[in-house]
Amino acid sequence: ETGVTQSPTHLIKTRGQQVTLRCSSQSGHNTVSWYQQALGQGPQFIFQYYREEENGRGNFPPRFSGLQFPNYSSELNVNALELDDSALYLCASSITGRTVGYGYTFGSGTRLTVV
Amino acid sequence: AQSVTQLDSHVSVSEGTPVLLRCNYSSSYSPSLFWYVQHPNKGLQLLLKYTSAATLVKGINGFEAEFKKSETSFHLTKPSAHMSDAAEYFCVVSRPYNNNDMRFGAGTRLTVKP
Repeated sequence: ETGVTQSPTHLIKTRGQQVTLRCSSQSGHNTVSWYQQALGQGPQFIFQYYREEENGRGNFPPRFSGLQFPNYSSELNVNALELDDSALYLCASSITGRTVGYGYTFGSGTRLTVV
Repeated sequence: AQSVTQLDSHVSVSEGTPVLLRCNYSSSYSPSLFWYVQHPNKGLQLLLKYTSAATLVKGINGFEAEFKKSETSFHLTKPSAHMSDAAEYFCVVSRPYNNNDMRFGAGTRLTVKP
């Protein structure tokens, strides 16, 4: 049973609108990463937050932004939605500071459809 | 730079026969490697991980993978497929001691025929 929860599970937005996706990390995990998974593709890294600051970013424009809160919850915000933003958005929590590649705990994702 | 290539987009096997899902990696340092499974409408579940210890890694549900540095490969195997193994499988690479920016392969869809 996953310790990471995401909300909402599904969302439909209109092109040009803004959206906020939420994630509650597994207890004790100080790092959260967000991924975009387009249909039929592997997840693509958007960015990572550690101790409430951005700790790495993939090839995504600035209209993708995030926040991490002291209670380990986090948000992904996307402004000026485009049709190509339609995807499954995955949140993953982990512990930075542990030795060698520890792997992530993933949530079940938010399916965003932009029309 | 680091990346993974999953050599098959779709693999089909019969129940009870062996499973082989192929993954090659590219990395400028000794990587950490993972296999994740994704069932329909579910999140990603970690099957196993390689982190520079034993080269043969055993995971959950009878899966295992062998890290072969000379071949830059990390293929996933299972001796006998079960219907419940039908899912999408992702090979993932990350830098050691740093789980920032894990890079996913495009995925392999495993179909299990009765």
